[in-house]
Amino acid sequence: QKEVEQNSGPLSVPEGAIASLNCTYSDRVSQSFFWYRQYSGKSPELIMSIYSNGDKEDGRFTAQLNKASQYVSLLIRDSQPSDSATYLCAVSNAGGTSYGKLTFGQGTILTVHP
Amino acid sequence: EADIYQTPRYLVIGTGKKITLECSQTMGHDKMYWYQQDPGMELHLIHYSYGVNSTEKGDLSSESTVSRIRTEHFPLTLESARPSHTSQYLCASSATSGRSADTQYFGPGTRLTVL
Repeated sequence: QKEVEQNSGPLSVPEGAIASLNCTYSDRVSQSFFWYRQYSGKSPELIMSIYSNGDKEDGRFTAQLNKASQYVSLLIRDSQPSDSATYLCAVSNAGGTSYGKLTFGQGTILTVHP
Repeated sequence: EADIYQTPRYLVIGTGKKITLECSQTMGHDKMYWYQQDPGMELHLIHYSYGVNSTEKGDLSSESTVSRIRTEHFPLTLESARPSHTSQYLCASSATSGRSADTQYFGPGTRLTVL
């Protein structure tokens, strides 16, 4: 089992719909969780970070974290064609030799069609 | 807004050449990272540093080497480039303390092609 696993894509949604991206992680001591967006040929850019159980909203984006289920998700409301990209889930371990390192999922390709 | 820079952005070079990819950040971050990513593929950590004179190998074995003589500078060197080194190289940095200590900010990347 991979340490960070994202729902297999590609995911295609119509413009204006809600896109739901999911991620599970295996390390129970993980403390920090991130969603990055990566356009083709570009570098990842941070969309959201979440540290506590529950929801965190920022504009059209909502991150949801459930540490008991080891699950983090990203909802994109009112999806736009400009949201079409690869979305990367990343998890930070709590400490020890892995402190500060992020483990990335394989990414989910999202396509928003007009 | 992250202030992290990489040069060159694109590099096409012949086999056997020595190359250095530059990465600099102006955020005062202690931690810096190098990732390798092929098109459409996962990010792989190849080197990281927690501060000056501290460097470690990442999860993916790489023939490259790094140095960290100054906090803001984390160059990556390939002594003898080969076609198998063709890839995108991404540099990132993060703070040591504070709530955003684990948040990594990425530079624009260097796309390397070895002929």
